[in-house]
Amino acid sequence: DGGITQSPKYLFRKEGQNVTLSCEQNLNHDAMYWYRQDPGQGLRLIYYSQIVNDFQKGDIAEGYSVSREKKESFPLTVTSAQKNPTAFYLCASSITGTDEKLFFGSGTQLSVL
Amino acid sequence: ILNVEQSPQSLHVQEGDSTNFTCSFPSSNFYALHWYRWETAKSPEALFVMTLNGDEKKKGQISATLNTKEGYSYLYIKGSQPEDSATYLCAPTSSGGYNKLIFGAGTRLAVHP
Repeated sequence: DGGITQSPKYLFRKEGQNVTLSCEQNLNHDAMYWYRQDPGQGLRLIYYSQIVNDFQKGDIAEGYSVSREKKESFPLTVTSAQKNPTAFYLCASSITGTDEKLFFGSGTQLSVL
Repeated sequence: ILNVEQSPQSLHVQEGDSTNFTCSFPSSNFYALHWYRWETAKSPEALFVMTLNGDEKKKGQISATLNTKEGYSYLYIKGSQPEDSATYLCAPTSSGGYNKLIFGAGTRLAVHP
């Protein structure tokens, strides 16, 4: 079945540690996105990529980094510079275009130890 | 950055009740409006993508309308069922050449048997 796979489902980060969240899709979509959800707030865009080897910062990119070396994969690294990393992270993909619906993964809950 | 407001924040109804929620957004630079349903422990799923003023879309017992001039969209559920219990998210996009969705905080619907 086609879809988006995020792993792990739960992740714990120690102080000063970088952690990487995985996102893989087999939908053959060019565009991929990372969103962050905090309680009571809407999903906020961290990074997006419209094509392999290219990505742009979203609204809250500070403290995060991404790569897009393969069409299927868009990993997100939460660096030690992100001072408030505890949140729920969602990865999504879509066909390139401004009115194309997003397909979402099941998310990763990141917590700080 | 667009300011997207959804109301009410949460809603409790009885099985068989009809209900509706509102999504408000700035009408300038509008391009498209997305609605997603997010059930607990699942991934958000697209319901509708709407672009034209006056547009109406329907999926089963769920329908949506769009007013781009005044900046709002309504989502209606006719004869709610317990399986309609979810958080409903709206997200407008602005013209700009890429699919940058700005999500509202959502309306949480609980349908009681």
